[in-house]
Amino acid sequence: DAGITQSPRHKVTETGTPVTLRCHQTENHRYMYWYRQDPGHGLRLIHYSYGVKDTDKGEVSDGYSVSRSKTEDFLLTLESATSSQTSVYFCAIKELVAHQQFFGPGTRLTVL
Amino acid sequence: QKEVEQNSGPLSVPEGAIASLNCTYSDRVSQSFFWYRQYSGKSPELIMSIYSNGDKEDGRFTAQLNKASQYVSLLIRDSQPSDSATYLCAVTGDNYGQNFVFGPGTRLSVLP
Repeated sequence: DAGITQSPRHKVTETGTPVTLRCHQTENHRYMYWYRQDPGHGLRLIHYSYGVKDTDKGEVSDGYSVSRSKTEDFLLTLESATSSQTSVYFCAIKELVAHQQFFGPGTRLTVL
Repeated sequence: QKEVEQNSGPLSVPEGAIASLNCTYSDRVSQSFFWYRQYSGKSPELIMSIYSNGDKEDGRFTAQLNKASQYVSLLIRDSQPSDSATYLCAVTGDNYGQNFVFGPGTRLSVLP
């Protein structure tokens, strides 16, 4: 258990509304990641962070923004949710020594 | 574009048999390789890491890496119904920045 929690775990929202997902870790990891997982596409990287206020885009970053104001929290924001953003979202951390990634429990987001 | 491919499933094996899961990757200088198990509705769980050519055993699991052939595999001996899950291969290295590339996964069913 890498001490990763995500909130909310489930959310239903309407098209056009803003949504923020939170990832919280307790072990002071520098690297944090946001992925989405969809049938037929596997895990795809949205954004990642390599330190407080240091973030970069992944392969599917359009429509998403992130922020990291504290080491322990990495926020993913959908400014105006669309139905194509219906997905399961996973947060992950990377341990530097063995380069291993560990995942949070996930957030299931439905955009109607 | 770095790619990770896995043998298409679903793969069905009888209980007690050996399950063999395969993964190939496109970037020759990849350095770290991981196998994750994902139960339906759950997050990916790291089960094996391998960094050098050869075999690495952990209980009923054996990971095999052949960098010359750009191939990594996972063998599950004495397969149990509880091994039924989707198995994800992931790759990283210096050419990946701080990121990982995941394969699409192979769904394994172990039949009692």
